[in-house]
Amino acid sequence: DARVTQTPRHKVTEMGQEVTMRCQPILGHNTVFWYRQTMMQGLELLAYFRNRAPLDDSGMPKDRFSAEMPDATLATLKIQPSEPRDSAVYFCASRRTQGADNEQFFGPGTRLTVL
Amino acid sequence: QKEVEQNSGPLSVPEGAIASLNCTYSDRGSQSFFWYRQYSGKSPELIMFIYSNGDKEDGRFTAQLNKASQYVSLLIRDSQPSDSATYLCAVLGGSTLGRLYFGRGTQLTVWP
Repeated sequence: DARVTQTPRHKVTEMGQEVTMRCQPILGHNTVFWYRQTMMQGLELLAYFRNRAPLDDSGMPKDRFSAEMPDATLATLKIQPSEPRDSAVYFCASRRTQGADNEQFFGPGTRLTVL
Repeated sequence: QKEVEQNSGPLSVPEGAIASLNCTYSDRGSQSFFWYRQYSGKSPELIMFIYSNGDKEDGRFTAQLNKASQYVSLLIRDSQPSDSATYLCAVLGGSTLGRLYFGRGTQLTVWP
């Protein structure tokens, strides 16, 4: 049963600390997305990659957030330094191609709390 | 800026009723339209997609698309308490590489 995996599932940290979230997309999926979800803002796109190349990271605060795909099986989202306003659920999602009906699958999310 | 708007909700219907969820979008070049369901504390999961004008039925779910009016809806017939969730409308942008634009979601509660 192919699925997107994310680690850690929960993270509690103190303001100023570095946070790294990892995502393993479904094998064969070449487009990977990072989202953030909060009650206030809903689901926001932070960045996405196609064939490991960044396509758009305009949704990300550049001064503290960075996203990379070191290889096709791993995407990372890093926050340094973290702030309380970064508390949210971070979802990774992947899909196979640009095709109109290719489903975008979400991972279980990382629930981040910054104290 | 590509906007996707959903009826604000929350929406509350009795068991067995029809729940109607609505969504409008701003980008006329949008190609495909998706409905995701998100249970509390879980990740969104796709329940339907539609890309042609008209209706598409899948079990108790019917998606309706009207591109001229830039409107897409989801009808849930014979609503069940297990349908209680937040429903997210998503639109595939007409000029971007596979990016979905999501609405804020409509929270649905089906009471027994």
